[in-house]
Amino acid sequence: GAGVSQSPRYKVAKRGQDVALRCDPISGHVSLFWYQQALGQGPEFLTYFQNEAQLDKSGLPSDRFFAERPEGSVSTLKIQRTQQEDSAVYLCASSSSGRSNTEAFFGQGTRLTVV
Amino acid sequence: AQSVTQLDSQVPVFEEAPVELRCNYSSSVSVYLFWYVQYPNQGLQLLLKYLSGSTLVKGINGFEAEFNKSQTSFHLRKPSVHISDTAEYFCAVSEAQGGSEKLVFGKGTKLTVNP
Repeated sequence: GAGVSQSPRYKVAKRGQDVALRCDPISGHVSLFWYQQALGQGPEFLTYFQNEAQLDKSGLPSDRFFAERPEGSVSTLKIQRTQQEDSAVYLCASSSSGRSNTEAFFGQGTRLTVV
Repeated sequence: AQSVTQLDSQVPVFEEAPVELRCNYSSSVSVYLFWYVQYPNQGLQLLLKYLSGSTLVKGINGFEAEFNKSQTSFHLRKPSVHISDTAEYFCAVSEAQGGSEKLVFGKGTKLTVNP
């Protein structure tokens, strides 16, 4: 498809388990973002890539969170030793340029539930 | 740093009535302003954006918003809503003029259109 694709759509993890969330951006899009959306809240920025370079990871809540985009296309957000407070929808977005006036296109998100 | 306040968490309205969803922002630098809509189990979709120029911005689905610099507001309006407009609406800002591409979102306003 032509949009941003995220997988899995739903993930249930036991506390302490590691998880990996995948994002396939729109082909050719330079910029890729990860956001965390807790229940009843707006999305909050986690990290940002321009091609394969991670330019901003200031929003990652702890060193248990790690993101990569090794070939400048697909990205993976990894959460180690999941905690209940990690339960949220994780949104991926991509945009065609490195400028802040460019529209970001969002995927449907991965809903992570930690039990 | 920027912040966004959406003053109403829920707005119920009858079909064909007008609606205004309020958004105020705070920033020490110039910003771009966005409204996104999120339908149930969907990703965020851009409704409209203000970059520069005319303060009245028209978007998709009959929505419009007005940028007011003195009041630091960017309220969203529609003169006549439809049942299909039921969704959650998010106001967001990003740094203008070469700043970070990341979006800072408000907490959202849930619009419910009743028959």
